[in-house]
Amino acid sequence: SAVISQKPSRDICQRGTSLTIQCQVDSQVTMMFWYRQQPGQSLTLIATANQGSEATYESGFVIDKFPISRPNLTFSTLTVSNMSPEDSSIYLCSVVGGTGFNQPQHFGDGTRLSIL
Amino acid sequence: LAKTTQPISMDSYEGQEVNITCSHNNIATNDYITWYQQFPSQGPRFIIQGYKTKVTNEVASLFIPADRKSSTLSLPRVSLSDTAVYYCLTSGSARQLTFGSGTQLTVLP
Repeated sequence: SAVISQKPSRDICQRGTSLTIQCQVDSQVTMMFWYRQQPGQSLTLIATANQGSEATYESGFVIDKFPISRPNLTFSTLTVSNMSPEDSSIYLCSVVGGTGFNQPQHFGDGTRLSIL
Repeated sequence: LAKTTQPISMDSYEGQEVNITCSHNNIATNDYITWYQQFPSQGPRFIIQGYKTKVTNEVASLFIPADRKSSTLSLPRVSLSDTAVYYCLTSGSARQLTFGSGTQLTVLP
């Protein structure tokens, strides 16, 4: 299965600032996703990162707050903009090697973000 | 939007078989059922996936009845290291990657 590296693994940020999280995969993958997991909670899908086009956002998430880039088939970034304490969470990227959403996902270990 | 329901928590003892059931009444025809395991400070890890009947791999079995409205993850002879949160997920088309609340399995010595 694909090896997924996320950077940074954790960070503490000031209110009002922005942070960009990187997701690097060791092989080309068809689909990449970004999730948020608040402490003790389940995972919530933020968006699907589309290579060469704008990301597809889920209800409740907007591009201005969570801009996403995917310049190629092995890399994506998620930016958390104008952060507030409510953005304190774990952000995870996942990848799917096949072409269908029914294919198993493989996850990175996440970025633990705390906002002061 | 497909939604899954699982027990919030389960306790078991080492060496026992554990069965975790997930309800997915609105599963779509093209959806598969996938189970993940998550340890603290790690991302979820794929365990097993199935569409119907029974699937078995080296770590678990997945039982899916004919109506596919539920599924049961079976972990044979659990050990302390199986203590984790287990999620089921139904997916097969865009915008259906919805994780349920997960089941916290605690294996006791």
